[in-house]
Amino acid sequence: DSGVTQTPKHLITATGQRVTLRCSPRSGDLSVYWYQQSLDQGLQFLIQYYNGEERAKGNILERFSAQQFPDLHSELNLSSLELGDSALYFCASSVAPSQGYGYTFGSGTRLTVV
Amino acid sequence: QQQVKQSPQSLIVQKGGISIINCAYENTAFDYFPWYQQFPGKGPALLIAIRPDVSEKKEGRFTISFNKSAKQFSLHIMDSQPGDSATYFCAATNSDAGNMLTFGGGTRLMVKP
Repeated sequence: DSGVTQTPKHLITATGQRVTLRCSPRSGDLSVYWYQQSLDQGLQFLIQYYNGEERAKGNILERFSAQQFPDLHSELNLSSLELGDSALYFCASSVAPSQGYGYTFGSGTRLTVV
Repeated sequence: QQQVKQSPQSLIVQKGGISIINCAYENTAFDYFPWYQQFPGKGPALLIAIRPDVSEKKEGRFTISFNKSAKQFSLHIMDSQPGDSATYFCAATNSDAGNMLTFGGGTRLMVKP
């Protein structure tokens, strides 16, 4: 157990729908990162939050959004889902955004859009 | 634009052999280079990491070699074991610019008994 908890583990939904992925960071970590892993794009950074505030955006679609709550858990919202959104979505956490010592990934949420 | 290129995509090594995975980067602002190991159904797990002020770092059977002038770094797995069979990702980050990781494409390693 890495200490980063992601729910649900698996999600199957239809095109056009909206889903919410949840992440609880490791105890003491203030920074949360979301990554998407797909066969064709590999592991891609989506967005980062630090202590409730957005810090950086990567290749995140406008249909996707995220937030980090006061208790530091984070949610990734995916809307108007398309078949191509099917992927593994990972959350990772670290103590601080400039720590530079690597961070801890959760086990991911496998999203299947049908 | 892929900023970290990883090779090979797949690798088969006999038990006891040396596994070598190479990565090259473009962004000279990168200052931290971790390697992650990922087993099926699991998230990537930090294996070993290096900063550009050293040329080599060793942890057990795992060694990172770093060539700053060539902008290349590599992972060597000595005495490879079947349990090492996994996908390995190199990554790079600028720790002063948010610490988000740019990953290589991954190498699927199979160690044959």
